[in-house]
Amino acid sequence: EAGVTQFPSHSVIEKGQTVTLRCDPISGHDNLYWYRRVMGKEIKFLLHFVKESKQDESGMPNNRFLAERTGGTYSTLKVQPAELEDSGVYFCASSPMGNEQFFGPGTRLTVL
Amino acid sequence: QKEVEQNSGPLSVPEGAIASLNCTYSDRGSQSFFWYRQYSGKSPELIMFIYSNGDKEDGRFTAQLNKASQYVSLLIRDSQPSDSATYLCAVNWASNTGKLIFGQGTTLQVKP
Repeated sequence: EAGVTQFPSHSVIEKGQTVTLRCDPISGHDNLYWYRRVMGKEIKFLLHFVKESKQDESGMPNNRFLAERTGGTYSTLKVQPAELEDSGVYFCASSPMGNEQFFGPGTRLTVL
Repeated sequence: QKEVEQNSGPLSVPEGAIASLNCTYSDRGSQSFFWYRQYSGKSPELIMFIYSNGDKEDGRFTAQLNKASQYVSLLIRDSQPSDSATYLCAVNWASNTGKLIFGQGTTLQVKP
């Protein structure tokens, strides 16, 4: 069974540009989560989808971040415009029942 | 502010010894507790979860939960150099969302 996949693995952009991160959850997992780890800090929750619906987006830092999960399959997280403080590793996780979560390899975002 | 606290380490143990990793959490309403292992540059890997007070054993790993003391620990018996990694404690206090609150992680070094 394939695990959670994320694309790209690395992204380097300039401040003010737009970046879109993609996550493909484990097949059949209705629950999809986005987390972020900035350097020196703990992993922090961004938001949670159940199928295509946003269940909890309390961790989204501001309106420069937009997450979608059209059709309840893969999800995208767009940052527009990117700021320096957005640099970090963005993890996606999926879960069949909303309990144990399985993480993807992450996307390392660097904003210059 | 709901928090999860871990000693960042590094915790150094000799090969074959028992490694004890500790985690405290601030919210008494927390319901489920997870231990993830993360190798450098890799995704967090779920190794144990526990929901009820007491001990839960899985191979060389034992998770211990004491809700009265708001304390969860992970014991690794017969530690191997391959166990060297960062161990992340994560807590979910709201079972309907699955949102995880992470500690900063404890780095474990197992020396041959």
